[in-house]
Amino acid sequence: QVHLVESGGGVVQPGRSLRLSCAASGFILTNYGMHWVRQAPGKGLEWVAVMSYDGGTQYYADSVKGRFTISRDNSKRTLYLQLNSLRAEDTAVYYCCREVQDAFDLWGQGTVVTVSS
Amino acid sequence: QSALTQPASVSGSPGQSITISCTGTSSDVGRYNYVSWYQKHPGKAPKLLIYEVSIRPSGVSNRFSGSKSGNTASLTISGLQAEDEADYYCNSYTSSSTRVFGTGTVVTVL
Repeated sequence: QVHLVESGGGVVQPGRSLRLSCAASGFILTNYGMHWVRQAPGKGLEWVAVMSYDGGTQYYADSVKGRFTISRDNSKRTLYLQLNSLRAEDTAVYYCCREVQDAFDLWGQGTVVTVSS
Repeated sequence: QSALTQPASVSGSPGQSITISCTGTSSDVGRYNYVSWYQKHPGKAPKLLIYEVSIRPSGVSNRFSGSKSGNTASLTISGLQAEDEADYYCNSYTSSSTRVFGTGTVVTVL
């Protein structure tokens, strides 16, 4: 079966770090661009970051640039999002998703990040 | 990276058709045919409805259709059903090689 499973969310204090993981199964991770998308409580979807299929390029939303890093471990079939210098406004459900023809065709169930003192 | 503009809410009676607009700029919606639409129910992951402006993935009802004119894309839901009550989001590729979502639209079936 083809799916994505996120993990690593939790409660963290402002200024601290967290690493989210997204385990892929049923497909070859390196064949696809992979993205992170988040949804803050009561808010809409916000695109966060992308890693190209070959891992050669990464792009970020202005709101996270310089603080978040997207990466991938091909041997573990896992996508990561390193979240540094966390702020209250980073509180959200974080989803990883697969890109096909410039759309997100496969999504994980999400992992919750809460930034609070 | 301003969000694409969608109406906050749209409603319709069962069987009716509704249209949700998604307005961007010449740097995103107006420049590329990489507009997609998603349906999101509370507590669930988003579901892809339309990609490349007007293409429906396999398994998506043909009651959903997409189009684009200039800087504005649209999603039409025909034959509105109770199960269509959800939040809807558009998304576009941008000239910065990033992606941007719309502000989201709550669809209510009266």
